[in-house]
Amino acid sequence: DAGVTQSPTHLIKTRGQQVTLRCSPKSGHDTVSWYQQALGQGPQFIFQYYEEEERQRGNFPDRFSGHQFPNYSSELNVNALLLGDSALYLCASSLGQPGTQYFGPGTRLTVL
Amino acid sequence: GNSVTQMEGPVTLSEEAFLTINCTYTATGYPSLFWYVQYPGEGLQLLLKATKADDKGSNKGFEATYRKETTSFHLEKGSVQVSDSAVYFCALRGSSNTGKLIFGQGTTLQVKP
Repeated sequence: DAGVTQSPTHLIKTRGQQVTLRCSPKSGHDTVSWYQQALGQGPQFIFQYYEEEERQRGNFPDRFSGHQFPNYSSELNVNALLLGDSALYLCASSLGQPGTQYFGPGTRLTVL
Repeated sequence: GNSVTQMEGPVTLSEEAFLTINCTYTATGYPSLFWYVQYPGEGLQLLLKATKADDKGSNKGFEATYRKETTSFHLEKGSVQVSDSAVYFCALRGSSNTGKLIFGQGTTLQVKP
């Protein structure tokens, strides 16, 4: 039973660039949530996708956008990167709403 | 708004010691409560959960009881092992919420042989 997978594992970008992170949910799950975890902090909710629509959004600027595909996989896009966007980005999947969320290993983004 | 507060870390214990990590929450209604664990360099793993008052979640020797009267969900384990060294996060999902998890700041546990 494949768990939640994320790619890439690590990413280094410079300020002002754009980045796309990818997530494949656990088999059988249809809902994907994204979180940002700064060093030494708890994860912060970015948004959640269900049925290819953004259903809920946390307190993040419009530079953060996402997409969910018909196979339930998802992308997180961040435009105009800032140094403060450096963090571990976690994807979590669940079945339906609300469902228990299972997390992937994360993508470590470093902005220089 | 909803929030979660965890005890400050790090918590340092000797192997086979008793563990308690305190977690209290603020929320309206009846949230669901979770404990997640994060090992170095990894994502979060669900450790246990409770969805209504007085429920006890348990897994791998860890336990936590949903106490609505004290708005708490303390994590306990009777005998810790070196392999339990990790960061532990308490989280809640609001009763009217479609899925957003609100996390505490995390508590680092170090277990020494």
